[in-house]
Amino acid sequence: QITLKESGPTLVKPTQTLTLTCTFSGFSLSTSGVGVGWIRQPPGKALEWLALIYWDDDKRYSPSLKSRLTITKDTSKNQVVLTMTNMDPVDTATYYCAHISKWELHFDYWGQGTLVTVSS
Amino acid sequence: DIQMTQSPSSLSASVGDRVTITCQASQDISNYLNWYQQKPGKAPKLLIYDASNLETGVPSRFSGSGSGTDFTFTISSLQPEDIATYYCQQYDNLFTFGPGTKVDIK
Repeated sequence: QITLKESGPTLVKPTQTLTLTCTFSGFSLSTSGVGVGWIRQPPGKALEWLALIYWDDDKRYSPSLKSRLTITKDTSKNQVVLTMTNMDPVDTATYYCAHISKWELHFDYWGQGTLVTVSS
Repeated sequence: DIQMTQSPSSLSASVGDRVTITCQASQDISNYLNWYQQKPGKAPKLLIYDASNLETGVPSRFSGSGSGTDFTFTISSLQPEDIATYYCQQYDNLFTFGPGTKVDIK
């Protein structure tokens, strides 16, 4: 059974760096083809893909946010970490992590999401 | 960047109605398109992948079709539990979600 869960601060101040952790079970990021992505959703708005990391450490980023994002993995801990620098109130959103296969490219298992509010 | 549009942005239909949502890509994406359902306060759920393939466990009243730039998502007989927002998502070049279509019961 595949599960994912996001964790991190619920409130960050403008200009601060956000660090979110996705802890998962039921699969391994050392298995060929496996990946974990991050997607966010501002309140009442649409989904926005942010970043993705694969088992072989291949990383992809949203072009519009690439300069602010870093995605890493800790295979031994079954975790993926996303950092986003220079946070702004427009970055207030629910942040989701999700499982993906490099061979099928659809997000088939999602975490419950974590709401991050950016405010001074 | 590939842009995705959806229409309508919202719709109201009666239980048992056939519901159709369209999704258009800004360039040819072959069949590299997925559909998700998101209920209020919940994470999205994959319904259709590769434009027309039904995810395991998803009711057969859901279907998808299309290729190139124009895609269609259909609920053949709307049920009360189908109240949700539906998103298309392309994966031809990275990933882009559409703006969503909110479906309500009339």
